Amino acid sequence: LAKTTQPISMDSYEGQEVNITCSHNNIATNDYITWYQQFPSQGPRFIIQGYKTKVTNEVASLFIPADRKSSTLSLPRVSLSDTAVYYCLVGPRGTGGYQKVTFGTGTKLQVIP
Amino acid sequence: DAGVIQSPRHEVTEMGQEVTLRCKPISGHDYLFWYRQTMMRGLELLIYFNNNVPIDDSGMPEDRFSAKMPNASFSTLKIQPSEPRDSAVYFCASSLPWTTSNTGELFFGEGSRLTVL
Repeated sequence: LAKTTQPISMDSYEGQEVNITCSHNNIATNDYITWYQQFPSQGPRFIIQGYKTKVTNEVASLFIPADRKSSTLSLPRVSLSDTAVYYCLVGPRGTGGYQKVTFGTGTKLQVIP
Repeated sequence: DAGVIQSPRHEVTEMGQEVTLRCKPISGHDYLFWYRQTMMRGLELLIYFNNNVPIDDSGMPEDRFSAKMPNASFSTLKIQPSEPRDSAVYFCASSLPWTTSNTGELFFGEGSRLTVL
């Protein structure tokens, strides 16, 4: 499985755009990039998934450069409720039809008033 | 749908006791996963099932841990005998198969916090 590296923590003020970058230099051709969010005392929650270029949904955008060796999760205009741990996962679709991934330590985002 | 339902939410037990954690996946989901989260090791996959059949249990720490899925709407994770180092938050998650029209995202329950004294 591809090894991922992301910052341990980040601080941001309310209303700012936050970009969390994940490095995955040994990403394989059939690997997808998925981001999850985890609030304290809750299970992780899916945010977004992509393979290349840019993906956008109602919550976030995911930017993936052509070489796919990194990806950036962009959260527009964060609020205090966005304070959470964000996990970058990289892995292929498993033979069983699920994404075979390993959760790392994630990035702890603290949004400041 | 109510989401993935886990019970109990909190469990405090003494070393050597048997612990059973329960999970009801989202109806219609083919995959069920058990994860364990600790500060030291993060979120680890213990075992997963596909259509009630255990597919990969390589993450189960040792023989004291066992998991079953007797039907599509229920799974258990059992620890016998429990030890203090088993203290963690145990999450159950379920998902649909990953297809061209579905991301295969994991839907997690709220977790069961286990404390073994």
